[in-house]
Amino acid sequence: GAGVSQSPSNKVTEKGKDVELRCDPISGHTALYWYRQSLGQGLEFLIYFQGNSAPDKSGLPSDRFSAERTGGSVSTLTIQRTQQEDSAVYLCASSTRTGSEQYFGPGTRLTVT
Amino acid sequence: AQRVTQPEKLLSVFKGAPVELKCNYSYSGSPELFWYVQYSRQRLQLLLRHISRESIKGFTADLNKGETSFHLKKPFAQEEDSAMYYCALSGIGSARQLTFGSGTQLTVLP
Repeated sequence: GAGVSQSPSNKVTEKGKDVELRCDPISGHTALYWYRQSLGQGLEFLIYFQGNSAPDKSGLPSDRFSAERTGGSVSTLTIQRTQQEDSAVYLCASSTRTGSEQYFGPGTRLTVT
Repeated sequence: AQRVTQPEKLLSVFKGAPVELKCNYSYSGSPELFWYVQYSRQRLQLLLRHISRESIKGFTADLNKGETSFHLKKPFAQEEDSAMYYCALSGIGSARQLTFGSGTQLTVLP
């Protein structure tokens, strides 16, 4: 079946602009995670959604970052007023339930110029 | 706080030689540990998890609580094993998010 998909695969934006990154999890997966992979910080957790529960936003680096998950499926990660340090690969993962194997998407490579 | 350390950024071995990728962790409680692999131009994927005690593609990893280690081993490396390997720890919070090590790039030479 189809795996986790993310769009766009690459995004170049100017400093100060807002960007939206999209994640389509595997159908039926109730848990969804966003991670960021950057040169300086490695792979780090950003935010977690489980069903209709309030998200765990403990990994978001600043209030410029937000995410939502509509209808318990598609998720959008929004970065406002992008900065150069936001340049990274943003990965989405989903799992059948919290704690089970996480399946990763191909990532969105964000470059802030 | 939980932390995962992979001391080797790069590791090269010859085909047929044994390989060991090191992983140490710090965690207060019973950890759940994983190895993820990323082949060139592919997405991150689970290789193995300690609770399943499986051998995947010839790789094994044993959790050593005394040494707080979860080293990945394979007795005879193959060229197709060349990839980036990440050790990860499942979180203590309700999210059970993964905390990753910095990764080890393994190159198996012909």
